Amino acid sequence: QVQLVQSGAEVKKPGSSVKVSCKASGGTFRSYAVTWVRQAPGQGLEWMGGIIPIFGSSNYAQKFQGRVTIITDESTTTAYMELSSLRSDDTAVYYCARGNSGYRREPPSNYYYYNMDVWGQGTTVTVSS
Amino acid sequence: QAVVTQEPSLTVSPGGTVTLTCASSTGAVTSGHYPSWFQQKPAQAPRTLVYDANNKHSWTPARFSGSLLGGKAALTLSGAQPEDEAEYYCLLSYSGVYVFGTGTKVTVL
Repeated sequence: QVQLVQSGAEVKKPGSSVKVSCKASGGTFRSYAVTWVRQAPGQGLEWMGGIIPIFGSSNYAQKFQGRVTIITDESTTTAYMELSSLRSDDTAVYYCARGNSGYRREPPSNYYYYNMDVWGQGTTVTVSS
Repeated sequence: QAVVTQEPSLTVSPGGTVTLTCASSTGAVTSGHYPSWFQQKPAQAPRTLVYDANNKHSWTPARFSGSLLGGKAALTLSGAQPEDEAEYYCLLSYSGVYVFGTGTKVTVL
C-alpha cells in the first residue's frame, strides 16, 4: 500500500511563494492522478487541481489558475505543489492525494479524471506578515 | 462554479442507520458526476470511503454504502459505531473539474 509523506509546516510572508512536497513510498505517481486539496482553519475541503504524469495532463480549479503549479519528479517519486502570490486567506492545511486516473469520452465533454484514493498527512501553511 | 450542498449535521444512535445526501446547484446528481465520499476526523487527513457513486475501497467498512437517491448522491451508514463520529464530505466531478460538498458533521449519540 503506497504511503504519501508530505513536507513540514511553512510560515510565509504575503506576496511570497510556497512549495509543498509529497513523497510516495511503496509506489510511484507515473500512471496515477496526483491531486492537491486544501482546508482553511475550521472550513471544508477545497479542490485545487491535479496532474497525471503519464498523460502529461494537468487541471487546475479556476480560482487558482495562474497561481498554482503541480509537478511530479519520477526519479524521487515526489510531487510538488507551488502556490505563488500568497495572501493571508491562503493559510490552510494542504493535502496531496493519489488515485486512479484515466480518460473519459462523454460527448460533448472528453476529459481526464483524477480520483483521490490515498492521502498524505497534510502540511500547514501559514501566511502572515 | 457549481455549489454542492450537504446537511450541516446529523445525529445517529449507536447501531442505527443514517443517510447523508449531496446535492448539486446545477440539477440532479447523476452517475456522470462520479460522486465520492470522504471521512475526516478531527486533526486527521481525509480518508476515501466511496468512489464512482457506489464503489468501496478495501479499507471501507461494510456498514458504509454509496448510492444515488432522488437526484442526489447518498452515503448510508448502517449500524453506526462510535468511531464513525466524524465530518463527511462528498465530491462531484463536473467533466473533470471537482467540487467538494459543504460537509456533514455526524454525531453518534
